[in-house]
Order: sequence, then C-alpha cells, then structure tokens
Amino acid sequence: DTGVSQDPRHKITKRGQNVTFRCDPISEHNRLYWYRQTLGQGPEFLTYFQNEAQLEKSRLLSDRFSAERPKGSFSTLEIQRTEQGDSAMYLCASSPVGTPRDTQYFGPGTRLTVL
Amino acid sequence: LAKTTQPISMDSYEGQEVNITCSHNNIATNDYITWYQQFPSQGPRFIIQGYKTKVTNEVASLFIPADRKSSTLSLPRVSLSDTAVYYCLVGDMTVTGANNLFFGTGTRLTVIP
Repeated sequence: DTGVSQDPRHKITKRGQNVTFRCDPISEHNRLYWYRQTLGQGPEFLTYFQNEAQLEKSRLLSDRFSAERPKGSFSTLEIQRTEQGDSAMYLCASSPVGTPRDTQYFGPGTRLTVL
Repeated sequence: LAKTTQPISMDSYEGQEVNITCSHNNIATNDYITWYQQFPSQGPRFIIQGYKTKVTNEVASLFIPADRKSSTLSLPRVSLSDTAVYYCLVGDMTVTGANNLFFGTGTRLTVIP
C-alpha cells in the first residue's frame, strides 16, 4: 500500500497528557497537510509543510500544538496538555508539487479521545 | 469565510443518477473546483476536479456552467457503497499552501436499497 499512513489510528488519553501522532505521506509527495475534523464537520486546516519547511499555520493551531517534518518525509503532530476539546479526528494529507493544492491524498486519520 | 454552499443531505435509491449541486458565487479566475468523498472513519478521497465545462472520470462527472458560479457533481447509477459525505471545494490553483482551503459541512448522501 503506497497511500498516506497514520499512526496510531486511535488514541485515548487523559486530560493534561501529551500525545504525538505520526504521518507518513506518499513517498514522492513533498507537500504535507494536517487537518482536524470534529463530528459532523468537514476537515479544518491546521498546518502545511513543503518539504521540511512549515509554511502555514492556522489560528486553530494553539501553542499547545506543534508539528514537525524534520527530514521532509514523515511528520509528527504533538498536542501538549490535552483538553477535552481536542477530541477529534486528526487527518494528514499529502500532494506532489505541480498539482493544484486541492488535489490532496488523505490518510485514514487518528481519532483522539480525551477523557 | 465559506466560499461554497451545498445541500446538507440527499437521499437516492440504488441505481439512480445523483446530482449534487454546489454554489460558489464568488469564484475567482484562478479557482479550481474540487470534490471529495468521505466515508465514516476514513479520510476524504479526491473524486474529481475541474475548471470549466465538463470533466469525466471513472467515478463521476463534473459539470461547470460558463459563469462558473455553480457546479454539479454527477454520480451515475449509485450503489449502497456510495453512501458518504461529499465536499465541494473552491481553491486558487496558483496557491501552493492551504490556509483557506475550506471543506464546509458537505452533503450527506444516503443511498437506499
């Protein structure tokens, strides 16, 4: 399977704990995106990387959130001091240079539940 | 700021053609129109993209009138497995980032046996 993969698929944590999610994009894709999706809503943009550079961050990405893509390949999204409002599906997507930015390939997501 | 408007939900019987219309009155010259499909507990899946007139692929057709202020996703002969949420997006094809890529709430299509 050469699609976008995310790990873990599910994460249950207690309020106040830190969590980290991983995304492995399609290998030749140098653009990587993180989204958050809550029940009944569409995905909301969080942040965007081109190679290892984080080029955009949404105002939704509070200072408890940090994302990295150290070698321009996989990416991690960390949430510190989790809150119940952080419960959501966290989606990663990737796309190759040369295509319109709307052509994104999504992973299966990591569902976070904060108790 | 929402750039698109689409029905919240639609029902269809199996085997019928389904047309989902999206309004984007403020579409700009550089904007593409893109549709995604999302099944429960999965990430969205790219279906089709177009700029004007008609685009067809193995999954769907996309009809875009000359003024580009709306678009219609057409799914031929739907089956139960087409039950999903369908999102219409309008985005600037010259922009590489994603900060104002807005999915909205989509159209929940339910296919009935």
